[in-house]
Amino acid sequence: RKEVEQDPGPFNVPEGATVAFNCTYSNSASQSFFWYRQDCRKEPKLLMSVYSSGNEDGRFTAQLNRASQYISLLIRDSKLSDSATYLCVVNIYSGGYNKLIFGAGTRLAVHP
Amino acid sequence: DAMVIQNPRYQVTQFGKPVTLSCSQTLNHNVMYWYQQKSSQAPKLLFHYYDKDFNNEADTPDNFQSRRPNTSFCFLDIRSPGLGDAAMYLCATSRDGLAGEYEQYFGPGTRLTVT
Repeated sequence: RKEVEQDPGPFNVPEGATVAFNCTYSNSASQSFFWYRQDCRKEPKLLMSVYSSGNEDGRFTAQLNRASQYISLLIRDSKLSDSATYLCVVNIYSGGYNKLIFGAGTRLAVHP
Repeated sequence: DAMVIQNPRYQVTQFGKPVTLSCSQTLNHNVMYWYQQKSSQAPKLLFHYYDKDFNNEADTPDNFQSRRPNTSFCFLDIRSPGLGDAAMYLCATSRDGLAGEYEQYFGPGTRLTVT
C-alpha cells in the first residue's frame, strides 16, 4: 500500500463548479498534513495546511479525519486558474527525523 | 525575489557523464532537500541536510551524492547518469521542522535529460 494515495483524475469541471479531492494515508502516527498545488512543469507550492478541526481559505476548504486516515480538499466556484495538479502531503517520522511524503497528485482541469 | 534558486533550469547530459545540479537559498533555512520527480509521479525524496547532517533515503541509489558546503548552497551530483535518471530534480528548504510542521519552499527545478 502506498503511504499517500490519491485519485489521479483528471477531474474535468466547468467554471463555477464545486469539486472535491480525497486522499488517504497509511501512517497513523502522522501529525502534519498539507495540500500543495503544482502547475504543469513547475514546482509544488503550498496551498494550505490541514488542521484537525478543518480549515477554510477563501474558496478552499480542507478536512482531516484521523480515525479514517483521510484528508479532503473542497474547491468552490472553480476558476480557470485552478487548473493544476493537487498534491496531498503527509509527514512521517522515519529513521530519526521527520519527512514529507507526497501523493502522486490529482489533476484538475477547469473549462469555460 | 527568488528565494530558492536552481541552476541550470535545463540540463542535457550524456549517458554515464557526471553532472552536478546546484541549489541556493536566501531564506537562511537550516534544512535542505533534494527530490526527484518523474512525469505524473509524486516527488520522491532522495536525501536531505539538517544543517550539516546528511540523511540519505534508504532507496536512493549510490549514483546520487550531495554536498552542502554552507547554509546557502547544496549540490546534487549524479556520478553516472542512466536513462532512468531523466527527471525533474527539485530542491526545497524549510525551517527547523522537527515535527514536520514547517512549509517546504521549492525551487523551480532542474529538468535533466539523458541522451
